[in-house]
Amino acid sequence: QSALTQPRSVSGSPGQSVTISCTGTSSDVGGYNYVSWYQQHPDKAPKRIIYDVTQRPSGVPDRFSGSKSGSTASLTISGLQAEDEADYYCCSFAGKSTFTTFGGGTKVTVL
Amino acid sequence: EVQLVESGGGLVQPGGSLRLSCVASGFTVSGHDMHWVRQAPGKGLDWVSVSITTGERYYSGSVKGRFTISRDNAENSFHLQMNGLGVEDTAVYYCARERAAPGLDFDLWGQGTLVTVSS
Repeated sequence: QSALTQPRSVSGSPGQSVTISCTGTSSDVGGYNYVSWYQQHPDKAPKRIIYDVTQRPSGVPDRFSGSKSGSTASLTISGLQAEDEADYYCCSFAGKSTFTTFGGGTKVTVL
Repeated sequence: EVQLVESGGGLVQPGGSLRLSCVASGFTVSGHDMHWVRQAPGKGLDWVSVSITTGERYYSGSVKGRFTISRDNAENSFHLQMNGLGVEDTAVYYCARERAAPGLDFDLWGQGTLVTVSS
């Protein structure tokens, strides 16, 4: 069982917005601004799309955005596109004892 | 080209050992914390271990005592020695680079190498 809780799936039509939540505790998400998000297409390596809660690496479309409130982080995909259909994972630093933990992943389906 | 290339995966019997390698190009591993992350078939990402530039090493609870991470700055590579393998260790193992800045995120991933533990 993953330490961070994500919905198993979300879906939306092209052009719509979807939001994926990532719920942790004060020991991980709530305790550090070190939440990152990864996109993974089938049989591919993960790709970082958000880091430090809200930062978007160069080359990542601005329709991807991140936020955090308390111990819950969120990833929003605005203007959903067909190529956004993938699995998405959140990740948080969790202190030197646990170090880091991932969410269970959310499958995004574009209808 | 900046990349990570894993090798060393394969089929091993329960209780056996395997050594994974990750060779970096386009950057020097000595400047980064380097991680192993695995993904069991059809499952999510699971952090395994980190080799920190200071020499510290950390492991997930499920592999502590069985896996050992090491780095070879001269060869610009790092490794994961896996002993006492069980079927639950079957997964694609990715090596990943941590961004060289305060925080924790993985800005570069290898293509993965499959480890299958089966009799």
